[in-house]
Amino acid sequence: GENVEQHPSTLSVQEGDSAVIKCTYSDSASNYFPWYKQELGKRPQLIIDIRSNVGEKKDQRIAVTLNKTAKHFSLHITETQPEDSAVYFCAATSRSDSNSGYALNFGKGTSLLVTP
Amino acid sequence: NAGVTQTPKFQVLKTGQSMTLQCAQDMNHNSMYWYRQDPGMGLRLIYYSASEGTTDKGEVPNGYNVSRLNKREFSLRLESAAPSQTSVYFCASSENMDRSNQPQHFGDGTRLSIL
Repeated sequence: GENVEQHPSTLSVQEGDSAVIKCTYSDSASNYFPWYKQELGKRPQLIIDIRSNVGEKKDQRIAVTLNKTAKHFSLHITETQPEDSAVYFCAATSRSDSNSGYALNFGKGTSLLVTP
Repeated sequence: NAGVTQTPKFQVLKTGQSMTLQCAQDMNHNSMYWYRQDPGMGLRLIYYSASEGTTDKGEVPNGYNVSRLNKREFSLRLESAAPSQTSVYFCASSENMDRSNQPQHFGDGTRLSIL
């Protein structure tokens, strides 16, 4: 099955700096890569996603890049703010073992702390 | 529009007890999922239901059963709870897992402790 590796596991930055989280995946057939943000005690929430037919996508201070050849994708947060502090999960789709559709395989998460 | 609703939000059980976690979505989604989240382990798929009437095992199905009651509801049952099942359980749904580019939408989670 798909294996998604996420690094770093923890990241501490000063307010205003940029943060970068990187993920690699193993299934070359994967073609959808969402990113989720989970605040303490809350649900994971989709913040941005990218499909394999594009290399980069931006939404205000958040951007995601995808390198299909190297099988890695990254989340970039610019001008970080304390409210960006959360756990971030990357994910990649792969065909389910039962062949009933596509499942999401998640990385183990990155705990981001933005200090004022 | 509530999205994905899970009940209960918190539960404490004794080893050997059984219980059912409930999940309902109002987005007319075909596919639903159950995950468990443990510290440092990310989100691991327990069971999923591609569409009404079907269920399949995920990565960590042992000790659990599921029922897709109808298109809206997907329940997770622990028949004989064990301390190793202490976790936060999330239900999620997506429009149709036949398509590879479908985001999943999560409920608020159930925090389950087994003593």
